[in-house]
Amino acid sequence: GAVVSQHPSRVICKSGTSVKIECRSLDFQATTMFWYRQFPKQSLMLMATSNEGSKATYEQGVEKDKFLINHASLTLSTLTVTSAHPEDSSFYICSARGPRNTEAFFGQGTRLTVV
Amino acid sequence: GDSVTQMEGPVTLSEEAFLTINCTYTATGYPSLFWYVQYPGEGLQLLLKATKADDKGSNKGFEATYRKETTSFHLEKGSVQVSDSAVYFCALSDRPASGGSYIPTFGRGTSLIVHP
Repeated sequence: GAVVSQHPSRVICKSGTSVKIECRSLDFQATTMFWYRQFPKQSLMLMATSNEGSKATYEQGVEKDKFLINHASLTLSTLTVTSAHPEDSSFYICSARGPRNTEAFFGQGTRLTVV
Repeated sequence: GDSVTQMEGPVTLSEEAFLTINCTYTATGYPSLFWYVQYPGEGLQLLLKATKADDKGSNKGFEATYRKETTSFHLEKGSVQVSDSAVYFCALSDRPASGGSYIPTFGRGTSLIVHP
């Protein structure tokens, strides 16, 4: 299947700082990318959907000023957690889909710990 | 809206036992159905998929059949191994009635624990 690379896999940051997570599609053009947050006990929460060159569409309850999403090219999307707080600690996962795919391919996830 | 319901976990089995993880869905259109697997500390990997009614997806000994009449996509494996221990997510991908992009909808995940 297609490859999606997410970086970093783990990051620890101090409260109040910002963290950027990258998501790259390595062998296909990702017209749509999704960002998820995974809470304890496994459930995936869709945070936002982004189409290349357009503003991201955020799900209800997700603060767009706190979770900045950029999808500037067909192979790269970034999620920036601004002014991070301990409650932002979580596992963040991106996924990407090409124009002809109905399935999404996932990155490896990023474990964010805010101390 | 679309939704996916999976059986609650964890499912605990002995090695070589038969596995079934139930999944049912509701959708307004004609969705594609998927099973994803998440190993500890990792992202999700596509395990198998089916794009239309009566299709059977299969991979690594796992199978699931798209049953439109019962709106189900149950995951099965005849003989599980310790290495199958992971979290399994059922998902669907459907185009909204208003058009636009396919947005995946996931179940809550089912943890499988296989003992030697």
